[in-house]
Amino acid sequence: DGGITQSPKYLFRKEGQNVTLSCEQNLNHDAMYWYRQDPGQGLRLIYYSQIVNDFQKGDIAEGYSVSREKKESFPLTVTSAQKNPTAFYLCASSLGAGGPEAFFGQGTRLTVV
Amino acid sequence: AQKVTQAQTEISVVEKEDVTLDCVYETRDTTYYLFWYKQPPSGELVFLIRRNSFDEQNEISGRYSWNFQKSTSSFNFTITASQVVDSAVYFCALPTGRRALTFGSGTRLQVQP
Repeated sequence: DGGITQSPKYLFRKEGQNVTLSCEQNLNHDAMYWYRQDPGQGLRLIYYSQIVNDFQKGDIAEGYSVSREKKESFPLTVTSAQKNPTAFYLCASSLGAGGPEAFFGQGTRLTVV
Repeated sequence: AQKVTQAQTEISVVEKEDVTLDCVYETRDTTYYLFWYKQPPSGELVFLIRRNSFDEQNEISGRYSWNFQKSTSSFNFTITASQVVDSAVYFCALPTGRRALTFGSGTRLQVQP
């Protein structure tokens, strides 16, 4: 089955810790994205990558970092510099950036304890 | 700048009623795509439809239909004979250049039995 897999589904972080959210796709898509969703709100773009070894900041990149060493993987690290990390994080991929429809993973719910 | 407005925050209907979700957008692009996604309680965004700005014909897929009007920058979504399984948050989205999708804030639809 082709799709996008995010792990873990739930993640708890202590204050001051860095955590990494995993996103893997087997759709052979070039572009991948990370979005953040807060309760009752829409999605906001954190980072996106159009090709391997290249990525760009989105609208709310501060306190986050990414890497794109492989086409199928786009992990997101939430650093201690992110002041309010509790949110729902969604990873997506598409054939081309901003073009055909994007497909989403099931999300990771991050909670700071 | 790209902008998507979904003015209806929440809609509640009784099963079998028809319901229309509104979407108004702003873009400087002359050609563009528009999308609708469904987010059920599980959290994953499910792609529903992509519309090219060239094509203003209404589209129908089962109980779902979409009305795209370029003159009013609207892309409304109608569910006919709603069912409890239609309960979800629905997002309208527009690509932002070659970056990613810009989402509206979403409309929560509650279908009561």
